[in-house]
Amino acid sequence: GDSVTQTEGPVTVSESESLIINCTYSATSIAYPNLFWYVRYPGEGLQLLLKVITAGQKGSSRGFEATYNKETTSFHLQKASVQESDSAVYYCALGDPNVGDNSKLIWGLGTSLVVNP
Amino acid sequence: EAAVTQSPRNKVAVTGGKVTLSCNQTNNHNNMYWYRQDTGHGLRLIHYSYGAGSTEKGDIPDGYKASRPSQENFSLILELATPSQTSVYFCASGVRDWGGYAEQFFGPGTRLTVL
Repeated sequence: GDSVTQTEGPVTVSESESLIINCTYSATSIAYPNLFWYVRYPGEGLQLLLKVITAGQKGSSRGFEATYNKETTSFHLQKASVQESDSAVYYCALGDPNVGDNSKLIWGLGTSLVVNP
Repeated sequence: EAAVTQSPRNKVAVTGGKVTLSCNQTNNHNNMYWYRQDTGHGLRLIHYSYGAGSTEKGDIPDGYKASRPSQENFSLILELATPSQTSVYFCASGVRDWGGYAEQFFGPGTRLTVL
């Protein structure tokens, strides 16, 4: 079936260090999945961080980047220099663009990021 | 202004009691979702809806019912709450654009404790 696997947390880094959170997917029934990173800050609901719907393209937001790699079925999240305010839980997700009006997503387990000052 | 709101934000219930979690969206989205989030499980889909009057079972529907009386409102009902249903519950509304890209918009969550 279709699934998303991401780095198991918590991931702890110091402020100004670089970050990578791995995300790989299996989309056996979806030819060209859409890929997403969502983030949940403490006390808030999830919100979209970035999205990419075309293989080979890169999405970016708030200093984070992720490239949709169809060959390696990966969508790793990277940031060159993290800040304490980036502490949150990050979710990788994929969607099927060909399922009628359904916007149902397949979610990874989430990766908790702790950035120390 | 928040487009997806949930009430209550916190709830303590007793085992065997009935609990209703409410969700309201002003996005005018057809699709709405109820998830629960537990450590080690990520987001798990309980029920979803394609529009008013429609409810569909998600991945873990047992012990839960859903109701979608209108485009804006989607409720999750625990008829006989159990301690295993202690969790954080998220409601979301969803949309697909002309290119097929889908996005979900989340409420702030409801923390439910069943004693």
